[in-house]
This record gives sequence, structure tokens and C-alpha cells, in this order.
Amino acid sequence: NAGVTQTPKFQVLKTGQSMTLQCAQDMNHEYMSWYRQDPGMGLRLIHYSVGAGITDQGEVPNGYNVSRSTTEDFPLRLLSAAPSQTSVYFCASSYSAARTGETQYFGPGTRLLVL
Amino acid sequence: DAKTTQPNSMESNEEEPVHLPCNHSTISGTDYIHWYRQLPSQGPEYVIHGLTSNVNNRMASLAIAEDRKSSTLILHRATLRDAAVYYCILRRYGGSQGNLIFGKGTKLSVKP
Repeated sequence: NAGVTQTPKFQVLKTGQSMTLQCAQDMNHEYMSWYRQDPGMGLRLIHYSVGAGITDQGEVPNGYNVSRSTTEDFPLRLLSAAPSQTSVYFCASSYSAARTGETQYFGPGTRLLVL
Repeated sequence: DAKTTQPNSMESNEEEPVHLPCNHSTISGTDYIHWYRQLPSQGPEYVIHGLTSNVNNRMASLAIAEDRKSSTLILHRATLRDAAVYYCILRRYGGSQGNLIFGKGTKLSVKP
């Protein structure tokens, strides 16, 4: 298994540009989520999905959209990038959302710089 | 979600045991205690979790106080590769969400 993969690894955007951060997992996991991590901080939840076709907002959803058309993929869209969205973005997945003993697997991250 | 409190940083010598504390005085009876760690420039990785009893796995041990208001992650012999930020997280049993709520964690430095 490749686990959780994210592309790109690094991206520079200009203010106002749009882009999609890709996340895929090959473990047949129901639950997927996106976090952002700012320097010196813990991770903050942006959006999450408990299965294909189902998404919900996390702690910091403004400026981001998500969709979940397949079990494997969970892309994160920035519609109009702002410097405040400069951060490292992590995607995570686990088999089920409901079982609290579930291990979450994290991707390697995408480092985004918005100028 | 119940809050956890961890020291900002700790230091250890290589090949010595490390005890990383976590306070969670408002923990509820259905909260599981999870530990994740984040190596430099990587995503977080699962370390261990428990509910009431002490737990051991190949990476670490988790000691949970009898009143469950605190816990300690134990690395039996620290290596340089264990230098990371360690997060103590509470997850509620039976919840419909698998979300992990991260604090700032404890940054562990390991000296050769």
C-alpha cells in the first residue's frame, strides 16, 4: 500500500489564484480529513468526510472547499488564495470515523506559500 | 472535546528513558487517550492509545493514572530518531466523528 499520498509537495501561489491540493489513500478508508499547520502550532482541522458523498466543516473551514466523489480521493480547493492560507497542509485517513481506537494515517504534507 | 495540558518542551539523553506527561483533568469516562508524534517535516504518526489500563506496544508504553486525570507516555530508551513533537489527544467513545483535536504538544529533544 502507498498509504496516504499528497500532491504537490510544495506550491507557490499569488494572492487570488485558485488551486486544488490532492489527497488519495489506497487503504479503503471511510474517513478522511484535512488539517493545516502553521509555524509552531498544532494541527487544525479544516474539513472532514465520513464517506463518499459526505463532507463536513472542521475548526477552520473558511476559504476552503472539499468534495468526496470516491472513497479514495479527497481534494481540498482554495478558491481565491490569501497570504493567511500560507501553511503546511496534511491529509489523514482512517478506516472508520466512529471507532475511537482507530489509528489515523497522515500524508507527508503540502507546503503552500501565498504571496 | 476535553482539553489536555503538556509541557512545551523536554530534553533527554540518548538511550535513557523518557517520561512525557499529560494532564487531562476534565476527561470524561468515555474519552480515550491517544498519543501521536510528529517528526521534523513529516505528518503525525500514531504512537499508542488507551482507556483505563496501562498499555504497551513496540514503540512506547502508556501509563494512565487511576483517576484518569493524567497520563504519561514512556519511551524506554530514547534514540535520536525519537526527537519529535508529541501530542496527547482525547477522543470520545461513540462519537460519530473521528476528528483529532491537536494542541501544541511537547517538543522532545534527544542529546547524543
